[in-house]
Amino acid sequence: DGGITQSPKYLFRKEGQNVTLSCEQNLNHDAMYWYRQDPGQGLRLIYYSQIVNDFQKGDIAEGYSVSREKKESFPLTVTSAQKNPTAFYLCASKSQGEAYEQYFGPGTRLTVT
Amino acid sequence: KNEVEQSPQNLTAQEGEFITINCSYSVGISALHWLQQHPGGGIVSLFMLSSGKKKHGRLIATINIQEKHSSLHITASHPRDSAVYICAVRSKTSYDKVIFGPGTSLSVIP
Repeated sequence: DGGITQSPKYLFRKEGQNVTLSCEQNLNHDAMYWYRQDPGQGLRLIYYSQIVNDFQKGDIAEGYSVSREKKESFPLTVTSAQKNPTAFYLCASKSQGEAYEQYFGPGTRLTVT
Repeated sequence: KNEVEQSPQNLTAQEGEFITINCSYSVGISALHWLQQHPGGGIVSLFMLSSGKKKHGRLIATINIQEKHSSLHITASHPRDSAVYICAVRSKTSYDKVIFGPGTSLSVIP
């Protein structure tokens, strides 16, 4: 089955610790995205990558870092510099081109205390 | 002012009712998406449209490009339709930039 997997579903961390969220896709999509969702707000773009070994900052990249060493994988690290890291994080991917839609993973709910 | 707005923010309906969720946007777009997010958090795409109307089962989506407005209709609503419905637009200037609305939380009561 093709799709996007994110793990874990729930993640708990202490303040001051870095944490890495996993995103893997087997859809052969070139582009991958990380979004953050907070209650009452639309999804906000953190980082995106249109090709391996290249990525771009989104609207709220501060305090986050990513890598894209493989086409299938786009891990997101939430660093201790992120002031308000508790949120729901969604990964998405799509084929290049205007006609294609984004496919979303199941999300990871991160709680930092 | 948000670039994509939705109304209502929350909606409770009785099973069988006809439901309408509205989306208005203020930017030039190449396409508009309607997405469904279930309580578990995963998001699925319902429609992508750039003009006119699309229908899938009990769901109908319409868009009026001139008025920068779209509606999602659910006919004969059912409790399993309970979810958050999200309108998202793809920017005309950058096909890779998607702007999401805040979502409409729908609860259908038996």
